[in-house]
Amino acid sequence: QVQLVQSGAEVKKPGASVKVSCKASGYTFTSDYMHWVRQAPGQGLEWMGIISPWGAPPTYAQEFQGRVIMTSDTSTSTVYMELSNLRSEDTAVYYCARGSQYMDLWGKGTTVTVSS
Amino acid sequence: QSALTQPASVSASPGQSITISCTGTSSDVGGYNYVSWYQQHPGKAPKVMIYDVDNRPSGVSNRFSGSKYGNTASLTISGLQAEDEADYYCCSYSSYTSSRTRVFGGGTRVTVL
Repeated sequence: QVQLVQSGAEVKKPGASVKVSCKASGYTFTSDYMHWVRQAPGQGLEWMGIISPWGAPPTYAQEFQGRVIMTSDTSTSTVYMELSNLRSEDTAVYYCARGSQYMDLWGKGTTVTVSS
Repeated sequence: QSALTQPASVSASPGQSITISCTGTSSDVGGYNYVSWYQQHPGKAPKVMIYDVDNRPSGVSNRFSGSKYGNTASLTISGLQAEDEADYYCCSYSSYTSSRTRVFGGGTRVTVL
């Protein structure tokens, strides 16, 4: 079954970091890019960045430069998104999504809540 | 970079047609044929409805169509059905800051009256 399975919900304090995982199955992991997209409560979609599972350097949205790191582990077909120095505005659902010019397969999302 | 511009809401009766616009710049929508559209129902992950401006993925109803003119892309839903009530987002490849970035529109809430 072709799917992306994301890690569970997280609650973090301001200033902390969070690392969200996204495990791919049912297709060749290195055949396509992976995006990270987030959605704050009641808000729209926000593109965070794109990573090549085969190891090319990721590209991050300017808004997250210096705070986000995206990595890939081909041995487990898993990509990771780590966001540091969390603030309340980072409270959102974080999605991984497969694709290059468009996103054809999405994970169910990981809720990250930032609260003191 | 600013989000692409979409109307906040569009509404119509069942059977009617609607068109959602998505306006960007020559660095994104106008510069590349890499506009995609996503449908999102409440509490669900987005689903691609149109890619590369006017291509429909397998399994998506032919009531959905896409187009582009200049810096504005459009999604048209014909024969509107109750199940089409959802939020819709456009997305474009962008070279505004560097290569391989993407930018979403602010989203449009479609209401079936």
